Amino acid sequence: EVHLLESGGGLVQPGGSLRLSCAASGFTFSSFAMNWVRQAPGKGLQWVSAIGNSGGNTYYADSVKGRFTISRDNSKNTLYLQMNSLRGDDTAVYYCAKGRWINLWADWGQGTRVTVSS
Amino acid sequence: EIVLTQSPATLSLSPGERATLSCRASQSVDNYLAWYQQKPGQAPRLLIYDASNRATGIPARFSGSGSGTDFILTISSLEPEDFAVYYCQQRSNWPPTFGGGTKVEIK
Repeated sequence: EVHLLESGGGLVQPGGSLRLSCAASGFTFSSFAMNWVRQAPGKGLQWVSAIGNSGGNTYYADSVKGRFTISRDNSKNTLYLQMNSLRGDDTAVYYCAKGRWINLWADWGQGTRVTVSS
Repeated sequence: EIVLTQSPATLSLSPGERATLSCRASQSVDNYLAWYQQKPGQAPRLLIYDASNRATGIPARFSGSGSGTDFILTISSLEPEDFAVYYCQQRSNWPPTFGGGTKVEIK
C-alpha cells in the first residue's frame, strides 16, 4: 500500500524559510515523479511543483518560482520542498502526491500545514 | 495557463438523486481531464482520469464524459458518503490546473 507522510510544516514569519519533507513507502520511489500541491484555508487546490523520478527535471508554478526548490533523495525515499522568502499567501496545507503520470495524482499524503504570519 | 470553470458552485441534492457537475476549460484539453473528491480534513481522492476512466476502487455510480472544453461528472445515485467537494483538473498543458470546485451538499 502506498503511504506518503508529510512533515515540516509550522508557523513562520513572512520572509522566513521552511523545509517540508514527504516520506514515501509502499512503492518503488525512484520510479515515480513526485509533486507538491497546496490548499489555502477554505480555498481550492493549487499545483506547486513537480520533480522527475531521477530528480533531473523540476517544474514550478509561477507563484513560487525562484523561492521554492523541490528535491528528492531516492536513497531515503523522501521528497523535499525548500520554501524561502515565504509570504502570507503561501499559507496552506501542502500535500505530496504521485500518480501514473507526473501530472495526475492517485496517491496523496495527509498534508502538512504551513502558516506564514507575524 | 488553462482556466477551468466549474458549475454550479454548490449543488443541493438528496441521497438517491442524480448529480451532474460541469467543468469548462478555457481552451481544449483534449481528454486530459480528471475529477477528484475531497471531504473536510482529508486529502483529495482521484475519481476519474482522462475524462471517462474510473480510478482504482471507484464505484460505478461515478462516471465522466466530455472532451475538448466541456466535461461532466455524473453521480448516478448519491450515497451519504458522496457529499463532498469535487474538483476537476487538466493535465493537457503545463502547469496543471484545477477548477474552483463544486460542493455537493445534502438538501
